[in-house]
Amino acid sequence: NAGVMQNPRHLVRRRGQEARLRCSPMKGHSHVYWYRQLPEEGLKFMVYLQKENIIDESGMPKERFSAEFPKEGPSILRIQQVVRGDSAAYFCASSPPSGAQTQYFGPGTRLLVL
Amino acid sequence: GDSVTQMEGPVTLSEEAFLTINCTYTATGYPSLFWYVQYPGEGLQLLLKATKADDKGSNKGFEATYRKETTSFHLEKGSVQVSDSAVYFCALRGRSFGNEKLTFGTGTRLTIIP
Repeated sequence: NAGVMQNPRHLVRRRGQEARLRCSPMKGHSHVYWYRQLPEEGLKFMVYLQKENIIDESGMPKERFSAEFPKEGPSILRIQQVVRGDSAAYFCASSPPSGAQTQYFGPGTRLLVL
Repeated sequence: GDSVTQMEGPVTLSEEAFLTINCTYTATGYPSLFWYVQYPGEGLQLLLKATKADDKGSNKGFEATYRKETTSFHLEKGSVQVSDSAVYFCALRGRSFGNEKLTFGTGTRLTIIP
């Protein structure tokens, strides 16, 4: 059973470009979470999604950031018009559909904005 | 809101030494508590968890006991190995409906020297 998959593992963007990060949850998992880890800091919650629904986006910046989890395909975290402060590691986690379950993390996407 | 306070690092120990990493939390109700470990360049791996007061989580020689009276979940290991070198994160998840997000401490970097 493959774990949580994220791609790309590393992404370099210039200021003003768009960054698109993908997350495929573990098989059988329908809940996806995105977290951001700034250098030398802990992880901060961004958004929690179920298939076709955003459940909690209380950690998402109000502008430039969006997330989706379509019926088919991976979850996408999109950052428009990136700035240097967006440079971070972005981790996706998934959990099974029933009840409060353990979250399993992917390897992360390390975004560098030049 | 929920918060996790973790022992500041970095921590450097000799092989076979005893390890304690302190973790205290603030939350309403009775959260679930977790320790995650992050090896260099990788995502987070669940190390152990406890879901109610007085539960003890254990894995790979690591232990942590959920202490409601002191709101703590300290991580311990009796004899550390070089392979335990990593960053350790304490985290909690609230119990209110829809509150599935993990709240993390800032992480403690552990280095074990031979």
